Amino acid sequence: AQSVTQLGSHVSVSEGALVLLRCNYSSSVPPYLFWYVQYPNQGLQLLLKYTTGATLVKGINGFEAEFKKSETSFHLTKPSAHMSDAAEYFCAVSGGTALIFGKGTTLSVSS
Amino acid sequence: DVKVTQSSRYLVKRTGEKVFLECVQDMDHENMFWYRQDPGLGLRLIYFSYDVKMKEKGDIPEGYSVSREKKERFSLILESASTNQTSMYLCASSLSPWAESSYEQYFGPGTRLTVT
Repeated sequence: AQSVTQLGSHVSVSEGALVLLRCNYSSSVPPYLFWYVQYPNQGLQLLLKYTTGATLVKGINGFEAEFKKSETSFHLTKPSAHMSDAAEYFCAVSGGTALIFGKGTTLSVSS
Repeated sequence: DVKVTQSSRYLVKRTGEKVFLECVQDMDHENMFWYRQDPGLGLRLIYFSYDVKMKEKGDIPEGYSVSREKKERFSLILESASTNQTSMYLCASSLSPWAESSYEQYFGPGTRLTVT
């Protein structure tokens, strides 16, 4: 069965610092992997996705993620945090027809 | 752009009431989903539907039912609301199960339901 583990329920960074949100997955088949972002009182918005091909995936708002099969990881990074990046981030893996979501990581950005 | 709308952003209901949450998508998607979101638990799948009148149980279907009479509309029903169903409810849709991009889900803004 597929599963997702997000390491760290809360990450705090300073504005301009590197953002690193960790995601490890378990899947018995080649996975499709996703990162979603949720701003307060809103639904989820797709940040980026990996299906096949290039393992380094670029998304919106300067985020990117790298699929590492050997490490079963799909960590999300951004070189320089901005105040507007403060939100909750969810990693997800394909499972059957639906997605399997991690429990989320709240990113706080301080000035 | 895909648009998924939910009938209410905030809803307050009493214990024992029958509650309907409505979701509509405008992109002719085959798949539709209902999740509930609770702090520290992430998103948990309640039900999903891959076609009109078709439904499948997700991870936590107990206390819920669904209806899909039209392709664009997917309703979540709480037959007798209880306080432990106080939560954020998110609807999502995606393309047909046979499309490579079928796993990419588009979400509505959510309904925050409080049961008192």
